Amino acid sequence: DAGITQSPRHKVTETGTPVTLRCHQTENHRYMYWYRQDPGHGLRLIHYSYGVKDTDKGEVSDGYSVSRSKTEDFLLTLESATSSQTSVYFCAISEGAGGQPEQYFGPGTRLTVT
Amino acid sequence: GQQVMQIPQYQHVQEGEDFTTYCNSSTTLSNIQWYKQRPGGHPVFLIQLVKSGEVKKQKRLTFQFGEAKKNSSLHITATQTTDVGTYFCAGPRGQAGTALIFGKGTTLSVSS
Repeated sequence: DAGITQSPRHKVTETGTPVTLRCHQTENHRYMYWYRQDPGHGLRLIHYSYGVKDTDKGEVSDGYSVSRSKTEDFLLTLESATSSQTSVYFCAISEGAGGQPEQYFGPGTRLTVT
Repeated sequence: GQQVMQIPQYQHVQEGEDFTTYCNSSTTLSNIQWYKQRPGGHPVFLIQLVKSGEVKKQKRLTFQFGEAKKNSSLHITATQTTDVGTYFCAGPRGQAGTALIFGKGTTLSVSS
């Protein structure tokens, strides 16, 4: 498996609180992605990064922000968590050397907003 | 907007039966990728198809990319309990870049 870790692996938080999820890679890959996975919706892209301090929105970016200050770390922040953000969050990385590189996924973070 | 659709959503088979999942895109794709997610796990890359009409095999798995590059299929011959999981297809999101748009997946269950 690619060197990708996510922290925390599980989190329960209350509505209205800020939450930050961390993705850390040891592969020095350029591209990093945050997805959420919900039953019946598959994997939906939240934000992605194509380099340090370079990020772009995905299809479900409302309520989320990201930051990437180092190649190896990509942070996802829920500014004010809502129950609709209860989900499993996956980070992924890809090399981006040309063509359409495959993505390698982290183990996921299960977030519950009560 | 761009969509990638998969059918069926769920499929249950007896061990030894064949299984097929179909993927259809609203736009022409430059390539298509397939991923497998075991229960409780994370998606794992299986294969990428690039050429029109391309067929690739991995042991009992056969992947096909349509001539128009808008559809794809994954066929598993003689399923085994180890094939259990959700299979996703994914295509490039938009015209450029590395971001992917995923289908909703087909969840396969196998009884022995």
